[in-house]
Amino acid sequence: GDSVTQMEGPVTLSEEAFLTINCTYTATGYPSLFWYVQYPGEGLQLLLKATKADDKGSNKGFEATYRKETTSFHLEKGSVQVSDSAVYFCALIPVTGGGNKLTFGTGTQLKVEL
Amino acid sequence: SAVISQKPSRDICQRGTSLTIQCQVDSQVTMMFWYRQQPGQSLTLIATANQGSEATYESGFVIDKFPISRPNLTFSTLTVSNMSPEDSSIYLCSANRGNYGYTFGSGTRLTVV
Repeated sequence: GDSVTQMEGPVTLSEEAFLTINCTYTATGYPSLFWYVQYPGEGLQLLLKATKADDKGSNKGFEATYRKETTSFHLEKGSVQVSDSAVYFCALIPVTGGGNKLTFGTGTQLKVEL
Repeated sequence: SAVISQKPSRDICQRGTSLTIQCQVDSQVTMMFWYRQQPGQSLTLIATANQGSEATYESGFVIDKFPISRPNLTFSTLTVSNMSPEDSSIYLCSANRGNYGYTFGSGTRLTVV
């Protein structure tokens, strides 16, 4: 079945460092791909998405490119801030079947320090 | 942006009791989803709730334990029945809001003592 694999955390960075959180997926065809962010004590918020190969999703300085050849959707940010500390979830929706259900990765906790 | 209001935000409950969680969407949606997020883990889908039909439960979840109502296109409830400490989790509702994508409520943090 469909699945999402994320790098394990926590990831600890200094402010202004470069961030990469790896995400790879297994699915049939071309699923839609998402990154969600969960700040401490809150629900999930959609950060960015991409719906077809080579699409780049971007928001708040974060970017991720849909790579069909490597089945990846890595999250990147050039300069992180303390306020980016949160848990980041990669997710997909299959192109067919699956009932429009999101499949989540296990989440990666990011800690940004001064 | 789209808004889902979820309540209560947190509760501490005695084992053996039940808790009903409510979610209100600010516009009509066809499908709503209920998730459980156990401490330090990812989200697990409990069930999909469509208006006018019974909810569809995922493997490992049953209606007697997690009854769901969907009386109209903007509202749903999830009840956690006969609670035990193992039910302590964050419960989240979600809806497909078209161009806004899948929007989530802020979650209900449940502690069973």
